[in-house]
Amino acid sequence: RKEVEQDPGPFNVPEGATVAFNCTYSNSASQSFFWYRQDCRKEPKLLMSVYSSGNEDGRFTAQLNRASQYISLLIRDSKLSDSATYLCVVANAGKSTFGDGTTLTVKP
Amino acid sequence: NAGVTQTPKFRVLKTGQSMTLLCAQDMNHEYMYWYRQDPGMGLRLIHYSVGEGTTAKGEVPDGYNVSRLKKQNFLLGLESAAPSQTSVYFCASSNPGTGGLETQYFGPGTRLLVL
Repeated sequence: RKEVEQDPGPFNVPEGATVAFNCTYSNSASQSFFWYRQDCRKEPKLLMSVYSSGNEDGRFTAQLNRASQYISLLIRDSKLSDSATYLCVVANAGKSTFGDGTTLTVKP
Repeated sequence: NAGVTQTPKFRVLKTGQSMTLLCAQDMNHEYMYWYRQDPGMGLRLIHYSVGEGTTAKGEVPDGYNVSRLKKQNFLLGLESAAPSQTSVYFCASSNPGTGGLETQYFGPGTRLLVL
């Protein structure tokens, strides 16, 4: 079993749709959680950190469930520019593990 | 402020050749990382460093060596390149946070082709 698992998708949604991604992790000692965005052939960039209390940044909401060891990302009112691969990242003591990513395509 | 830079951007090697990839960061970060990304896959950690003079193995360390002689630089070496090492290599840097790790900042990547 992989340490961090994501649904690979692809997710194809129309503009304005709401889409949710889930990610599960196996190491219960994990301390830090993130969602990164990666555009084709580019370097990953931080989308948002994920906190136990949940956090929101505009149209993006991230949730962490430590008991069930999963994190989620909700995107509301999808834009064409949201098309990308979304990477779940789990870290412990400086070592980070990436999921394989979920690909989102938003269509007009 | 250049952030994280990687040298070279692209390289073609023949099987058995050696090379060194250089990563440099100007953000005074403690942690540095080397990842590889194969087509359609996520990033896999090769080696990482939590401070100058220290290195540790990641998920896929075989065939690679690293050194962190200066805080701002992290070198990745391939002693005898193999076609299986064809990949895109990303370097990243970060600082320890209250929850274990802060944001990682990535370089633009090095595309390596081993023939």
